[in-house]
Amino acid sequence: AQSVTQLGSHVSVSEGALVLLRCNYSSSVPPYLFWYVQYPNQGLQLLLKYTSAATLVKGINGFEAEFKKSETSFHLTKPSAHMSDAAEYFCAGSFGNEKLTFGTGTRLTIIP
Amino acid sequence: GAGVSQTPSNKVTEKGKYVELRCDPISGHTALYWYRQSLGQGPEFLIYFQGTGAADDSGLPNDRFFAVRPEGSVSTLKIQRTERGDSAVYLCASSSTGQNTGELFFGEGSRLTVL
Repeated sequence: AQSVTQLGSHVSVSEGALVLLRCNYSSSVPPYLFWYVQYPNQGLQLLLKYTSAATLVKGINGFEAEFKKSETSFHLTKPSAHMSDAAEYFCAGSFGNEKLTFGTGTRLTIIP
Repeated sequence: GAGVSQTPSNKVTEKGKYVELRCDPISGHTALYWYRQSLGQGPEFLIYFQGTGAADDSGLPNDRFFAVRPEGSVSTLKIQRTERGDSAVYLCASSSTGQNTGELFFGEGSRLTVL
């Protein structure tokens, strides 16, 4: 069965520090992978997605993620955290169909 | 509005009652999705429409849940004989082509509380 796992339900980083949010997947078919962000009282918003083209994907707000098949990972990074990055982040995958399978989310806190 | 609109934003009901949740997708979007998000969890797929028809309803948990999209635009998620375990945020999303080839746009959700 296909699945998406996010390590760390809460991550805190200092403003200006590297952001690293981890995501691993399990799939018997080539996946499409996504990162979504959810700000308080707002709907989920697509940050970036991998659809089998370039393995390094750049998204909005300076975020990027790298698809590593050998590690079955799709970690999200940003070189320098900003206070406005505080939100909940969801990794998701689709595995040969139109359904998204989401991870349980990581709440990112930025320390001033 | 320009985005996906969901009503009501909050609904409190008693166990055993019937509930309808409405989703207004972005104009022109043919694909529409319903997800359910329980506390502390990621969204869970319920059903996907392409046009008027349900292309995939494999995520509906049981026959108390039903969704329609009669004219290929607005969709209604219907829950009969609600149970306390149905309490969650119900999310609707739409896309012009589909979430693999395009982008999903989510509404803010309808929070359902079953007492």
